[in-house]
Amino acid sequence: GAVVSQHPSWVICKSGTSVKIECRSLDFQATTMFWYRQFPKQSLMLMATSNEGSKATYEQGVEKDKFLINHASLTLSTLTVTSAHPEDSSFYICSASSLAKETQYFGPGTRLLVL
Amino acid sequence: QKEVEQDPGPLSVPEGAIVSLNCTYSNSAFQYFMWYRQYSRKGPELLMYTYSSGNKEDGRFTAQVDKSSKYISLFIRDSQPSDSATYLCAVTTYAGNNRKLIWGLGTSLAVNP
Repeated sequence: GAVVSQHPSWVICKSGTSVKIECRSLDFQATTMFWYRQFPKQSLMLMATSNEGSKATYEQGVEKDKFLINHASLTLSTLTVTSAHPEDSSFYICSASSLAKETQYFGPGTRLLVL
Repeated sequence: QKEVEQDPGPLSVPEGAIVSLNCTYSNSAFQYFMWYRQYSRKGPELLMYTYSSGNKEDGRFTAQVDKSSKYISLFIRDSQPSDSATYLCAVTTYAGNNRKLIWGLGTSLAVNP
């Protein structure tokens, strides 16, 4: 297996502020990291794919200026929700993969509540 | 037609029962087949993955793939209350140079003591 961590595990912020979520692969080098969001009782929705050192590829309908993704190293990717609004409240989950791994390994998720 | 179909349930079984979870997929080009378990308010946890038709066993869990009928299954023997979770099937496809997962909706399982 592989271990992926996320920080923070939950965050509450005021509308209009920005929130940064970190995703780290702890025991392998993740050439690719993925960011998902999940609403209650729904499946995971892929937001973007990021390769280390490259710009992220966003899924259709996901605003890249609102959800800033940085993948500066092989063990760290960050998602920044800019000017957060209550409708951005959700469960954000990252996953990590590499060429040597056939699938993705997920972090524990970050619950965001925007008041 | 969705690329991966999975009955969302919910499924409720007594402790000790054999649980059968199933998905179908539409594209014969899909290469890897995964089962993840997700507890409430947690990230998905990889249970098993396989890439060929047949069975793969790990403890109480058996994953089965039938590529001819595009059908994947997960069997849980001697189910325990701690198995209560949502089980998601996923298949791998390629988008450019990246592998992407295509998810089923997930099946909610409750194992009752």
